[in-house]
Amino acid sequence: EIVLTQSPGTLSLSPGERATLSCRASQSVSSSYLAWYQQKPGQAPRLLIYGASSRATGIPDRFSGSGSGTDFTLTISRLEPEDFAVYYCQQYGSPPQTFGQGTKLEIK
Amino acid sequence: EVQLVESGGGLVKPGGSLRLSCAASGFTFSNAWMSWVRQAPGKGLEWVGRIKSKTDGGTTDYAAPVKGRFTISRDDSKNTLYLQMNSLKTEDTAVYYCTTGPITGTTFLGYYYGMDVWGQGTTVTVSS
Repeated sequence: EIVLTQSPGTLSLSPGERATLSCRASQSVSSSYLAWYQQKPGQAPRLLIYGASSRATGIPDRFSGSGSGTDFTLTISRLEPEDFAVYYCQQYGSPPQTFGQGTKLEIK
Repeated sequence: EVQLVESGGGLVKPGGSLRLSCAASGFTFSNAWMSWVRQAPGKGLEWVGRIKSKTDGGTTDYAAPVKGRFTISRDDSKNTLYLQMNSLKTEDTAVYYCTTGPITGTTFLGYYYGMDVWGQGTTVTVSS
């Protein structure tokens, strides 16, 4: 099973700042089958990025994903108030699929 | 409109069983790979398992904590996904979501494109 470790656990930033979230895999993620999700309280997750770097439909271009192999990054270029939420990475290339433990992005 | 609606959650004693359903609409369900994801209270997301479309073999994969206790199945004639949960444990307490990949028009885009469509979730509580 591939273990995903996200860092930091909590990130405190202000609107307008740049956010960089990390996801490290215990072994190489097959063919960049790496996704990022955003979740707000009481809501289902929302797909942001698939294939490590492709934005899902309707996702603003301030969200970008990068990385390959075992190291992946989600970058939010300029934080908007609605971006403060919990973010999860997920690998879906090798069963069982796994999620990281999440990074909480909070307003500073 | 593409929609997934879960049902069947509730309170069950440890060791008991429960069957969750996920009714799909607005897309060609038979072609979609479907997954279950759960979230324990105050915790992160946990993938439960997945079933491929019958044309892709209809096979299932499960997370280690549920393997041998949970079974995912589908009835394409009813556009419904199921999660049969047996030998339930307190640690199975969670909101259970069904989810699938992006839908373009009525067509499942493919597994590579991530899980873009989610239900509202149904709550399972395992407690004596």
